[in-house]
Amino acid sequence: GAGVSQSPSNKVTEKGKDVELRCDPISGHTALYWYRQSLGQGLEFLIYFQGNSAPDKSGLPSDRFSAERTGGSVSTLTIQRTQQEDSAVYLCASSWGLAGGTSGELFFGEGSRLTVL
Amino acid sequence: GENVEQHPSTLSVQEGDSAVIKCTYSDSASNYFPWYKQELGKRPQLIIDIRSNVGEKKDQRIAVTLNKTAKHFSLHITETQPEDSAVYFCAASKGFQKLVFGTGTRLLVSP
Repeated sequence: GAGVSQSPSNKVTEKGKDVELRCDPISGHTALYWYRQSLGQGLEFLIYFQGNSAPDKSGLPSDRFSAERTGGSVSTLTIQRTQQEDSAVYLCASSWGLAGGTSGELFFGEGSRLTVL
Repeated sequence: GENVEQHPSTLSVQEGDSAVIKCTYSDSASNYFPWYKQELGKRPQLIIDIRSNVGEKKDQRIAVTLNKTAKHFSLHITETQPEDSAVYFCAASKGFQKLVFGTGTRLLVSP
């Protein structure tokens, strides 16, 4: 595709429900990131995938959060038993990663805005 | 792991003034330092980056400087314009892996 695509763009859910957020990276990008951005706040690192290597999950805030990347392409971020503090914009980004040559630029999606009531 | 601190959190300047945003990083192995600009309601976009083999890089009104010894790097914007108003994020990584961002600086340029 032309850019990083995320869905849904908006999700409203009730506390305790599970949600899945999807990211479709730029074709050929080997690196994929998930970040969380709370209102007016910074970019909190969640998880990083690079090629077929084991993902770096060091930023996941609790075991309610998990992510997978199938076939080195599409990624899904799952939040189980959502809490109100999970409300934020979840941004996905992709890059050429270790295959990047001279460019490490991250290309971000538009984000998925999650609201937990 | 890497930790990036960024200051100030907010910065207000008059149009035409210069703006400087500073970041420090913790991991001496980091060698790639990009800066991203996020306009209101938009996604972050890369504006300039620098690698540890150079001390300074310029692109028109924007420049970035790096002090590896002190583990500091800074973004300099000269002749600021209202359209420069945005949130700016610094970041650091080793190679092009696991990019960790600073907390952001909200820049407001008043006409």
